[in-house]
Amino acid sequence: EVQLVESGGGLVQPGGSLRLSCAVSGFTFNYYWMSWVRQAPGKGLEWVANIKKDGSERNYVDSVKGRFTISRDNAKNSVFLQMNSLRAEDTAVYYCVRDAGWFDPWGQGTLVTVAS
Amino acid sequence: SYELTQPPSVSVSPGQTARITCSGDALPNQYAYWYQQKPGQAPVLVISKDSERPSGIPERFSGSSAGTTVTLIISGVQAEDEADYYCQSPDSNSNGRVFGGGTKLTVL
Repeated sequence: EVQLVESGGGLVQPGGSLRLSCAVSGFTFNYYWMSWVRQAPGKGLEWVANIKKDGSERNYVDSVKGRFTISRDNAKNSVFLQMNSLRAEDTAVYYCVRDAGWFDPWGQGTLVTVAS
Repeated sequence: SYELTQPPSVSVSPGQTARITCSGDALPNQYAYWYQQKPGQAPVLVISKDSERPSGIPERFSGSSAGTTVTLIISGVQAEDEADYYCQSPDSNSNGRVFGGGTKLTVL
C-alpha cells in the first residue's frame, strides 16, 4: 500500500522557520518526482514546489522562491520542505504528493499556522 | 505565469449530468488532470490525462478535451458527488505544476 505521511507542522511566528518531512512507503521512491501542495483555510489548492528523482532539479511557485527549499533523501524515502521567513499567508495545510505530472496519491497533510 | 480558469460553482439535480470546465492556453499541448476534494479530506485523482479514469473511480466520471478547454463530466450525479473539483496541468514553461481555482459542485 502506498503511504505518504507528513510531519513537522505547527504554530510559528511571522519571520520564523519550520521544516516539514514526508515519509514515503509502498513504491520505488527514487523513480518519482515529489511535490508539496498547500491549501490555505477555505481556499483552493496551490502547488508549492517539486524535486526531480535524483534531486538535480527543483521548481517553486513564485511566492515561495528564495524562502522555501525542497530536498529529498532517497536512502530514507523521504522528502522535506524547509520554510524560512514565514508569512501569515503561508498558513495552510501542506500535502506531500507523488508527482508524475499529476498527483497521486496524497498524504493527509500537516497544518502550518503562521501567527503571533 | 500560466493559469487555469474554472467556474467557481456548478449546480445540478440528482441524476442529471454535471459539466465542469477548465480553460488554459497550453491545454492543447498539455494533459489535464482532475481531483475531487470533500470537506476535511485530501484530494483524490478522478481523471488522468484528459479522459482516463483511474482504478476505483466510478464510471460516471469522464473527461473530454477540445482546444484550450477540458471538461470533467459527471453523468447521473449522486449526492455523494457534492465536492470541490480542481483541474491541474504541468506548467507550459517549466517543470512546475498549476491548479485551477476550483469549482464547488452542489447537488440540489
